[in-house]
Amino acid sequence: EVQLVESGGGLVQPGGSLRLSCAASGFTFSRTWMHWVRQAPGQGLVWVSRINSDGSTTYYADSVKGRFTISRDNVKNTLFLQMNSLRAEDSALYYCAIEGEALDYWGQGTLVTVSS
Amino acid sequence: QSALTQPPSASGSPGQSVTISCTGTSSDVGGYNYVSWYQQYPGKAPKLIIYQVTKRPSGVPDRFSGSKFGNTASLTVSGLQAEDEADYYCCSYAGDYIDVFGTGTRVTVL
Repeated sequence: EVQLVESGGGLVQPGGSLRLSCAASGFTFSRTWMHWVRQAPGQGLVWVSRINSDGSTTYYADSVKGRFTISRDNVKNTLFLQMNSLRAEDSALYYCAIEGEALDYWGQGTLVTVSS
Repeated sequence: QSALTQPPSASGSPGQSVTISCTGTSSDVGGYNYVSWYQQYPGKAPKLIIYQVTKRPSGVPDRFSGSKFGNTASLTVSGLQAEDEADYYCCSYAGDYIDVFGTGTRVTVL
């Protein structure tokens, strides 16, 4: 059974940093492209970032480029999102998702709140 | 990377059909056959229901169908059921390995 479990969210001050993790199981993680998608409270889905299967290429939405870094550990089957220079508008539930035919499976998300 | 435009809400009675539009540009919806649709219940993670414009993952009822004409994609839910009451989001590939989501539509079953 495919499982994605996000963690690492929490309350952080503006300008601060946070590292999110997504533990994956039930599929061949090392062969799978992965994504991060976020959703502010009461708002819609927003695509954040994508990483290829071996971690060598990464892609970002303009809104996070230069501040967020996606990475992965294919030994530990874990996806990461390092978030720096956080802003209030980055407050959201962050989901990791598997790229198959589209975004085939999603985790339950981890909540990030940026506030002083 | 502007969000694709969806109507905020749509509704129908049980058994009726409802169609949700998703309007983008020639750089996203119109340029690629990589439009997907997601169903999201309150407090739950999104679920893929349509991919590559018209295809359904295994287990998704054939009441859900997708189409595209020009820069606008559409999701139709036929034979509306109470369990179809949810938020629906479109998503399109926009080139350069970038994806963009729609603004979302809340479907209400009257």
